[in-house]
Amino acid sequence: NAGVTQTPKFRILKIGQSMTLQCAQDMNHNYMYWYRQDPGMGLKLIYYSVGAGITDKGEVPNGYNVSRSTTEDFPLRLELAAPSQTSVYFCASSYSGTQNTIYFGEGSWLTVV
Amino acid sequence: GQQLNQNPQSMFIQEGEDVSMNCTSSSIFNTWLWYKQDPGEGPVLLIALYKAGELTSNGRLTAQFGITRKDSFLNISASIPSDVGIYFCAGQLRETSGSRLTFGEGTQLTVNP
Repeated sequence: NAGVTQTPKFRILKIGQSMTLQCAQDMNHNYMYWYRQDPGMGLKLIYYSVGAGITDKGEVPNGYNVSRSTTEDFPLRLELAAPSQTSVYFCASSYSGTQNTIYFGEGSWLTVV
Repeated sequence: GQQLNQNPQSMFIQEGEDVSMNCTSSSIFNTWLWYKQDPGEGPVLLIALYKAGELTSNGRLTAQFGITRKDSFLNISASIPSDVGIYFCAGQLRETSGSRLTFGEGTQLTVNP
């Protein structure tokens, strides 16, 4: 029972570098989400997807890109890392948006120096 | 955008005491969710509420969906040390284009044995 799997767990980036956070779910969920959580704060939605080939911006999309080529995978890309992107990133998935549980991955800790 | 105010921000209680926390919103949600987050992990769903006025229990936890659809409450009875963690409320608005959660900023609960 893998659920939602995120990699890497921890990463340190230099300013201006790029990287991709990987997310995969094996529950055949059609909805997937990326959130970021800053210290002492709740989760902010970055991007979400309602199905393969469809992505939409959340509250804080600037500086990020996503793709959804398959139902299982929803990678998050940082093109030019900035210190403001230091955060904990959570991937999540769910069935359709109505009356269902959103399952979260264990998080990816990213530090930009 | 939608905002959630979660109170209190932190609580320090003795084992055995009851706990109450709440969330209020500037706008209506049609689902309220309560999550718990342990250190280094992703949020885990505790209780989901789907109807205004609904009162739902999960063991020692009880949550209510406010009549106005703009608030929700979580109560924990007879607290134990493993209740320590951050509790988040989340409002969900089901839309035709997807389903997104808006999170409160969390209530940090500390239980002294």
